Amino acid sequence: EAEVAQSPRYKITEKSQAVAFWCDPISGHATLYWYRQILGQGPELLVQFQDESVVDDSQLPKDRFSAERLKGVDSTLKIQPAELGDSAMYLCASSFGEDTQYFGPGTRLTVL
Amino acid sequence: AQKITQTQPGMFVQEKEAVTLDCTYDTSDPSYGLFWYKQPSSGEMIFLIYQGSYDQQNATEGRYSLNFQKARKSANLVISASQLGDSAMYFCAMRFSGYSTLTFGKGTMLLVSP
Repeated sequence: EAEVAQSPRYKITEKSQAVAFWCDPISGHATLYWYRQILGQGPELLVQFQDESVVDDSQLPKDRFSAERLKGVDSTLKIQPAELGDSAMYLCASSFGEDTQYFGPGTRLTVL
Repeated sequence: AQKITQTQPGMFVQEKEAVTLDCTYDTSDPSYGLFWYKQPSSGEMIFLIYQGSYDQQNATEGRYSLNFQKARKSANLVISASQLGDSAMYFCAMRFSGYSTLTFGKGTMLLVSP
């Protein structure tokens, strides 16, 4: 069964360090999403890609966050420098167009 | 404003009983989609069921059904014959017309007891 892959599953870092998360969507899914989920809340969109192009990054804190999907397949989300408030679950999802989004297992980030 | 509301922070149900998780939404758009996802403690969001705003019948997927009341702007999830493995957070989400991104509610924690 096709799945969205993410790594690492867990990441502990100190504030001011750089962190990176990786996502490999379901094969054939051109649309890829990165969401951030703070404990006790629902996920919120950070960035959406259509193939290699950014469709929506209006909620991405661009002073410290960056995202890329160079070949239109897998994607990397980076935070530099990490802050205490960045502690959260980072979820990647993919879809075929506007169809149902399927999520990966997430990366749980703790910033000390 | 487009908004999703889940008013039940937590729900308790005994195994084999049915449970309803509430979701209301606010939009002026006639075209939208409603989704329910399950999130176990492991963190992955698992898609359960989808209802389109123009669908004539309520969606069903196995033990999951969606009680869609368009005039009341509600899309409640009904889980029949609860199982211990149903214990998780449940999120209602909406996709608004012209956008493919999802807007999520705050979730409801469901605990199923033996």
